[in-house]
Amino acid sequence: GQNIDQPTEMTATEGAIVQINCTYQTSGFNGLFWYQQHAGEAPTFLSYNVLDGLEEKGRFSSFLSRSKGYSYLLLKELQMKDSASYLCAVANDYKLSFGAGTTVTVRA
Amino acid sequence: DSGVTQTPKHLITATGQRVTLRCSPRSGDLSVYWYQQSLDQGLQFLIQYYNGEERAKGNILERFSAQQFPDLHSELNLSSLELGDSALYFCASSVSGYNEQFFGPGTRLTVL
Repeated sequence: GQNIDQPTEMTATEGAIVQINCTYQTSGFNGLFWYQQHAGEAPTFLSYNVLDGLEEKGRFSSFLSRSKGYSYLLLKELQMKDSASYLCAVANDYKLSFGAGTTVTVRA
Repeated sequence: DSGVTQTPKHLITATGQRVTLRCSPRSGDLSVYWYQQSLDQGLQFLIQYYNGEERAKGNILERFSAQQFPDLHSELNLSSLELGDSALYFCASSVSGYNEQFFGPGTRLTVL
C-alpha cells in the first residue's frame, strides 16, 4: 500500500521561505512529484525527483532522500500568488499516489 | 492552459443515473489518466491508459469504466450513481509513463 504524509497547513509571510515536508512509505518507487493546486483549479506540475538530491527551478526547489522516504519542497521569496495547496505524489508502476496536500497561506 | 480538454465542465444528475465524461489529451501524449478529487479523500488515481490499452488501475469502482479510443481521446463512464460520487473528476495526459502529467480543467459532477 501507499502512505504519504505531509502537513495540513502552513502560513508564511510574503518574501519569506517555506519548506513543505513529505514522507512516504510505498511498496515501490519510480519517482516523486510535487504539484501546485489553486482552489477549484487543476493541479500544475512543479518538480520531479527520481534520484537523491536537490533539484532547483527558479524560486522552487525539491529534495529527495530515497533511503529515508523523505522529500521537501522549498518555496523562496514567497509571493501572494503562491497561496495554494501543494501536493506530494509518489509514482509506482505507472500509478501516481497523492498526499492529502499542504495548504500554504501567504500573508502580506 | 495545459492543452488537455475535458467536457462537460459541470454535470448535475440524479442518483441511479449514468454519465460519460470526455477527455482529449495534449497533442502527442499517449497516456491518459483519470482522477477523482473529493473534499474528504483528496486526489485519487482511478485508471491509466497508454495508446489505447489499460496500463494501471487504482481505486476505481466496478460501477466505473473507462476506455481510450484510437484517436487517443478517453471517456470515463460512471453508472448507478450515488451521492458519494459527487466530486471533481480530472483527466491528465503525459508523453508516456513517468513524465510530468498535464491536468485538464476537470468536470464537476454533482449527484442529487
